[in-house]
Amino acid sequence: DVVMTQSPLSLPVTLGQPASISCKSSQGLVYSDGDTYLNWFQQRPGQSPRRLIYKVSNRDPGVPDRFSGSGSGTDFTLKISRVEAEDVGVYYCMQGTHWPVTFGQGTRLEFK
Amino acid sequence: EVQLEESGGGLVQPGGSLTLTCAASGFTFSRYTMNWVRQAPGKGLEWVSYIRGAGTSIHYADSVKGRFTISRDNAKNSLYLQMNSLRDEDTAVYYCTREDFGTLGGYWGQGTLVTVSS
Repeated sequence: DVVMTQSPLSLPVTLGQPASISCKSSQGLVYSDGDTYLNWFQQRPGQSPRRLIYKVSNRDPGVPDRFSGSGSGTDFTLKISRVEAEDVGVYYCMQGTHWPVTFGQGTRLEFK
Repeated sequence: EVQLEESGGGLVQPGGSLTLTCAASGFTFSRYTMNWVRQAPGKGLEWVSYIRGAGTSIHYADSVKGRFTISRDNAKNSLYLQMNSLRDEDTAVYYCTREDFGTLGGYWGQGTLVTVSS
């Protein structure tokens, strides 16, 4: 199985400051169709997960543009340009290129 | 508006069975690949199973293969997860999710809690 390793696992942040989460896969994530199936999810306390980014860098509809995704090969990053109060929660990366689908362990974003 | 509503969770003894249902509305259900994803209490997300729109392609996580069966009834806009031989470690909130833009997780239901305990 492809192992998705996120860092850090806990991210203390300051309102208005940037934040960055790394996700590394144990195998390359380019599929035979040329797409890279790497998604990012946000899970606020007590809520269902919500997808923020699909296929590395595409923002889902309604996602604020302060969220951005980048990366290639086995290294991927989720960036928040200026953290807002509503961004508190756990963030997961996920790969859908190889069976089985696998998620990272999650990164808890919390305020200092 | 896309809506996914899971039901069927509850308390079941080890070795028992349960069937989860996901009722879909607000979109043409038959056109979309669906997945089940679960989350044990206080833990991360774990993918469980996948089924394409026509039901022609199905995949399972190794942890549930041979015990769980995913299916769908496109006429009833419903997704199912038949769970047999349940174990303590199957205790989790089970979410149904719809693919969007060709990849998992565009839409999620609110989840249904399955507790396996004697």
